[in-house]
Amino acid sequence: GDSVTQMEGPVTLSEEAFLTINCTYTATGYPSLFWYVQYPGEGLQLLLKATKADDKGSNKGFEATYRKETTSFHLEKGSVQVSDSAVYFCALKDAGNMLTFGGGTRLMVKP
Amino acid sequence: EAGVAQSPRYKIIEKRQSVAFWCNPISGHATLYWYQQILGQGPKLLIQFQNNGVVDDSQLPKDRFSAERLKGVDSTLKIQPAKLEDSAVYLCASSFRDPSTDTQYFGPGTRLTVL
Repeated sequence: GDSVTQMEGPVTLSEEAFLTINCTYTATGYPSLFWYVQYPGEGLQLLLKATKADDKGSNKGFEATYRKETTSFHLEKGSVQVSDSAVYFCALKDAGNMLTFGGGTRLMVKP
Repeated sequence: EAGVAQSPRYKIIEKRQSVAFWCNPISGHATLYWYQQILGQGPKLLIQFQNNGVVDDSQLPKDRFSAERLKGVDSTLKIQPAKLEDSAVYLCASSFRDPSTDTQYFGPGTRLTVL
């Protein structure tokens, strides 16, 4: 079945550091790929998405590129802020429209 | 617009007791989802409704879990009887109409602790 693998956290960075959170997937067909973010005490929010190979999703300074050849969708941000501290989930949606999530990666940004 | 509402936010029960969670989706959203999120894991879909019909309940443990969405708006998820391994956050999400293209919006969740 479909699966999503994320790097384990927590990831601890200083403010203005570069962020990469790795995500790889296994799926049949051509899934859509997503990054969701969960801030403390809040629900999951869609951060960005990409629906086909080589698409780049971007939002709030975050970006991720759909790499079909490496089945990856790594999340990057050039300069993180304390307010980016949250749990980040990579997910895919298959042809049956089910969302399959990775285990989440906690990001902690220190001032 | 108002987001997805869930209640209660927290619930503590003993094993073998029953519990129910309530969800009110965003107004006008036809599709409603219930997810289970165990600590340290990503959410797992339990059931998906389109209006008041079930689209997918393949991962719902039907011997103890049930869900309904009688009028195509609010939904209730019930566990009866609860087990220790049911301790998790139960998330409700909704989307406008087309599950293949529409964004899912998540509620804050109900944190269940089974003792």
